[in-house]
Amino acid sequence: DAGITQSPRHKVTETGTPVTLRCHQTENHRYMYWYRQDPGHGLRLIHYSYGVKDTDKGEVSDGYSVSRSKTEDFLLTLESATSSQTSVYFCAISGGQGISYEQYFGPGTRLTVT
Amino acid sequence: GENVEQHPSTLSVQEGDSAVIKCTYSDSASNYFPWYKQELGKGPQLIIDIRSNVGEKKDQRIAVTLNKTAKHFSLHITETQPEDSAVYFCAAETGANNLFFGTGTRLTVIP
Repeated sequence: DAGITQSPRHKVTETGTPVTLRCHQTENHRYMYWYRQDPGHGLRLIHYSYGVKDTDKGEVSDGYSVSRSKTEDFLLTLESATSSQTSVYFCAISGGQGISYEQYFGPGTRLTVT
Repeated sequence: GENVEQHPSTLSVQEGDSAVIKCTYSDSASNYFPWYKQELGKGPQLIIDIRSNVGEKKDQRIAVTLNKTAKHFSLHITETQPEDSAVYFCAAETGANNLFFGTGTRLTVIP
């Protein structure tokens, strides 16, 4: 998984609670991404980062926020989890060795909101 | 934004036969087209990609073709093996490194 770890790998939480997912990379890649994967939708981009403290919204950003205080860490926060945010969340990285296009994915976090 | 459509959603082939998965995209500005393989319980793995200045690219048993005029691209797997069984995703990149994914094809290779 290209030196990418995600934590936790599984989480069950209740509606209305805050949740933070962590992505950690050891590849020193510039770009980091958060996607969600749902049946029938493939993967959809939530937020991405193009450098420390530089982030932008993706296709499905409502209800999510992100932070990147270090090159190696990218956090995804659900301020108040809802059942519609039950999904598998993947982190990805790109931008190593000057090749910016190729994205490499982590192992995923399965989040269930009850 | 970009819209990527992928067909078929499921595909079963006999071991040794070829498999073809097709994708279309809507944004003519898209210029990078990767393919990912995802095994159960794992993250997507990049298996091959193509840029818009190239019409075809091969890597051993897999190849990708791109028709920019028609805005479609395809994944070809020859001499399929049971370990090729997985879900395959196509994607298109329109800029700012944003990938838009198809909905996936579940490939089953029957021994």
